[in-house]
Amino acid sequence: SQELEQSPQSLIVQEGKNLTINCTSSKTLYGLYWYKQKYGEGLIFLMMLQKGGEEKSHEKITAKLDEKKQQSSLHITASQPSHAGIYLCGAVFNQGGKLIFGQGTELSVKP
Amino acid sequence: NAGVTQTPKFHILKTGQSMTLQCAQDMNHGYLSWYRQDPGMGLRRIHYSVAAGITDKGEVPDGYNVSRSNTEDFPLRLESAAPSQTSVYFCASSSWTQGASYEQYFGPGTRLTVT
Repeated sequence: SQELEQSPQSLIVQEGKNLTINCTSSKTLYGLYWYKQKYGEGLIFLMMLQKGGEEKSHEKITAKLDEKKQQSSLHITASQPSHAGIYLCGAVFNQGGKLIFGQGTELSVKP
Repeated sequence: NAGVTQTPKFHILKTGQSMTLQCAQDMNHGYLSWYRQDPGMGLRRIHYSVAAGITDKGEVPDGYNVSRSNTEDFPLRLESAAPSQTSVYFCASSSWTQGASYEQYFGPGTRLTVT
């Protein structure tokens, strides 16, 4: 959706390196969701952010939502091959609104 | 709990044929959606349902029908398949309630090819 842009579209990193994926909205977000998808499988929910400035972490993955609630970043520390996959951000723009997805970022981690 | 299950995993259809993609969830979720995923297009919602007996159109509903006779099942029907419906289809469920944000649980997907 043009309302939600992800960057980069693809990323290749060496194992152990840090990386960041960005998700930018053209409108103020009500809620922002990060998902991971492995090839040929469904999406796995990672984290949800709702408040401006909010930050959540799970293992080596940290997601942040900026104060204006229009941009989110997903940061992976010390990447591992198990982190490889497609990361998608999803956004809801109002209470009860539909979930719209970004186009995804394909991450490859070279051992 | 099995979560969200989808069948079949793969299928090849000929143009004009019909088929039903099955989706079932055992989490007592009210909110179910069908998405299609295409290269460069991301995920787009086809139809959704907030409760049994209630369905509504998503962004790309043409060529698809849904029904929701109970909480668990949400089948997606293609009445006359077209090559443009070649895609990966995902069913998703959530416990969305009025006034709350929600997280969706996705099925493993159905890879459909229409020749």
